[in-house]
Amino acid sequence: AQSVTQLDSQVPVFEEAPVELRCNYSSSVSVYLFWYVQYPNQGLQLLLKYLSGSTLVESINGFEAEFNKSQTSFHLRKPSVHISDTAEYFCAVHGTYKYIFGTGTRLKVLA
Amino acid sequence: NAGVTQTPKFQVLKTGQSMTLQCAQDMNHNSMYWYRQDPGMGLRLIYYSASEGTTDKGEVPNGYNVSRLNKREFSLRLESAAPSQTSVYFCASSGRENSEQFFGPGTRLTVL
Repeated sequence: AQSVTQLDSQVPVFEEAPVELRCNYSSSVSVYLFWYVQYPNQGLQLLLKYLSGSTLVESINGFEAEFNKSQTSFHLRKPSVHISDTAEYFCAVHGTYKYIFGTGTRLKVLA
Repeated sequence: NAGVTQTPKFQVLKTGQSMTLQCAQDMNHNSMYWYRQDPGMGLRLIYYSASEGTTDKGEVPNGYNVSRLNKREFSLRLESAAPSQTSVYFCASSGRENSEQFFGPGTRLTVL
């Protein structure tokens, strides 16, 4: 069975500071991993994804995540956050026809 | 393209009432999904449809039914609403296998 663990439910960080949101997964088959972002009162939007190839993937707004097979992790990082990054972030793994989501990490960027 | 649309945006029901949540996508996607989102629990899959004409149970199907009306539309029905079904419901769709999902804006449902 596949599962996703997001250890941090909330992460407060000051503006322009770096941040890491942690995600660990378990899977007995090849994995396809995703990070989604949810702004208040909206649906989820894809932030970035790992399907195959380079283990470091980047988004257009400065986030990056690295697929680490040995540690079964897919942590999300940003070197310098902005107030506008305040949102909830979900890690997800794809299984057969289904996606398994973590419980989410609420990132709050402080001025 | 409108993407994934959901109606209604908000709904208040009394215990025992029934209702149908509507979802449509205009991206010609094969797969569609219904999730519920509750605080601290992330998204939990209720039902999904891998292709037109098929539906399967997800993690929390009890109390719900679905219909894949055609390739575009996937509805979720609550036959007899219960307070435990108070939640935000999201519909999503995806194209190729393993590709990302596209989400609708959600329906906020309160059952009194």
